[in-house]
Amino acid sequence: AQRVTQPEKLLSVFKGAPVELKCNYSYSGSPELFWYVQYSRQRLQLLLRHISRESIKGFTADLNKGETSFHLKKPFAQEEDSAMYYCALRETSGSRLTFGEGTQLTVNP
Amino acid sequence: DAGITQSPRHKVTETGTPVTLRCHQTENHRYMYWYRQDPGHGLRLIHYSYGVKDTDKGEVSDGYSVSRSKTEDFLLTLESATSSQTSVYFCASGQGGDEQFFGPGTRLTVL
Repeated sequence: AQRVTQPEKLLSVFKGAPVELKCNYSYSGSPELFWYVQYSRQRLQLLLRHISRESIKGFTADLNKGETSFHLKKPFAQEEDSAMYYCALRETSGSRLTFGEGTQLTVNP
Repeated sequence: DAGITQSPRHKVTETGTPVTLRCHQTENHRYMYWYRQDPGHGLRLIHYSYGVKDTDKGEVSDGYSVSRSKTEDFLLTLESATSSQTSVYFCASGQGGDEQFFGPGTRLTVL
C-alpha cells in the first residue's frame, strides 16, 4: 500500500530564510505527487503538483524517484507562508489521494 | 469557495447518537470524498464516491456509512457516534484524475 511521510510536524523559520518541507513516499508504481496548503481559517487548497513543474507563490517541488521524495522548497520565506502543508500521493490512474501527516510551518518576523 | 459547502459547520453530540454530515457541490464533479483530520494523522480518507449510488471504503471506514443519491450531495453518517470520532471532517470533490476541491470542514465533538 502507498504511504506518505512528512517527518517534521512543526517547522519554524525566520522571514527571508530558505525553507524546505520534506515529503517521502512509498509506492511501487508511478505516482502523482501534490502539495496542498491550509492557511489559517481557510479551506485546504492545491499548492502545486509535480507534473505541472511550475512555481507557485515562490514554492517549487521536484519529484525524485530515486529517493522517493517530493520536498517543497522556497528560497526566501514570507510571513504569509505560515500554514499547514500536506503532501499527497495519487496512484497511477487512481482517483484517491493518500495524505501525509502534515507540517505546520511558522515564519517568524 | 462557494462551489462546495458542508453542513453543519459545528456539532456537539453525545456518545451513541446518530449523526449525519452533508456535503453539497455545485461543480458537477463526478467524484466526492470524505476525510477526517486529526493531529498527527493528517487527512485520512473515510469513504468516497465515483458516481451516483457508487461508493467505496477508504482507509478508516469503520463506524461510518455514506450515501450519494444525487451528483451534488454526499452524506456521511455515524450510526452510533463514539468519542474516537471527535474530529474535523472535510468533504472534497473533483473529476478523479485532477485536483480535489475541499469544503470548509465540520468540527464534530462527541461527548
